[in-house]
Amino acid sequence: DAGVTQSPTHLIKTRGQQVTLRCSPKSGHDTVSWYQQALGQGPQFIFQYYEEEERQRGNFPDRFSGHQFPNYSSELNVNALLLGDSALYLCASSSGGGFGADTQYFGPGTRLTVL
Amino acid sequence: DQQVKQNSPSLSVQEGRISILNCDYTNSMFDYFLWYKKYPAEGPTFLISISSIKDKNEDGRFTVFLNKSAKHLSLHIVPSQPGDSAVYFCAAPSGTSYGKLTFGQGTILTVHP
Repeated sequence: DAGVTQSPTHLIKTRGQQVTLRCSPKSGHDTVSWYQQALGQGPQFIFQYYEEEERQRGNFPDRFSGHQFPNYSSELNVNALLLGDSALYLCASSSGGGFGADTQYFGPGTRLTVL
Repeated sequence: DQQVKQNSPSLSVQEGRISILNCDYTNSMFDYFLWYKKYPAEGPTFLISISSIKDKNEDGRFTVFLNKSAKHLSLHIVPSQPGDSAVYFCAAPSGTSYGKLTFGQGTILTVHP
């Protein structure tokens, strides 16, 4: 049973560019959350997708957007990249119905470097 | 506004001894807490949780203690093993279906053989 998968593993972009990160949830999960982990910090919640809609959002600007597909996979898009967007981007999946806090399964992340 | 704080960036202990990792929170609305463990090149994995109606939860070598009046929780690992060496995060869920996790900064635990 494949867990949460993310692609690509690493990515290098330059300031001002746009980037798309991808996530496939664990089998049986229908909810995807995205987190940004800067160096030396804990993950910060970006947003969560459920039933192809953004269900809740953290304190991130509109440059960060996402999408969820009918097969529950998800994309994170970041426009107009800044140096400060360099981070590890983590995707977590869970079941959307009811309480899902301790059943969020994380992928290995995508390391984004902005030059 | 750091609502969940782990003030010790690192902890080093000897194999077989106890490891104690600490976490403080400021948001009194938090009523559930989780600990995650993260190895390099892997995502965080859930370790243990505690509800605010309890002050202790135990799972094998791992015990989490919650002091609501002090807004403080701690994770005890007894006995510590070299394979426990990892980054440990405490987190609190909130929002719709408790789907938003607020993490602390993490503590790097090193267990020496």
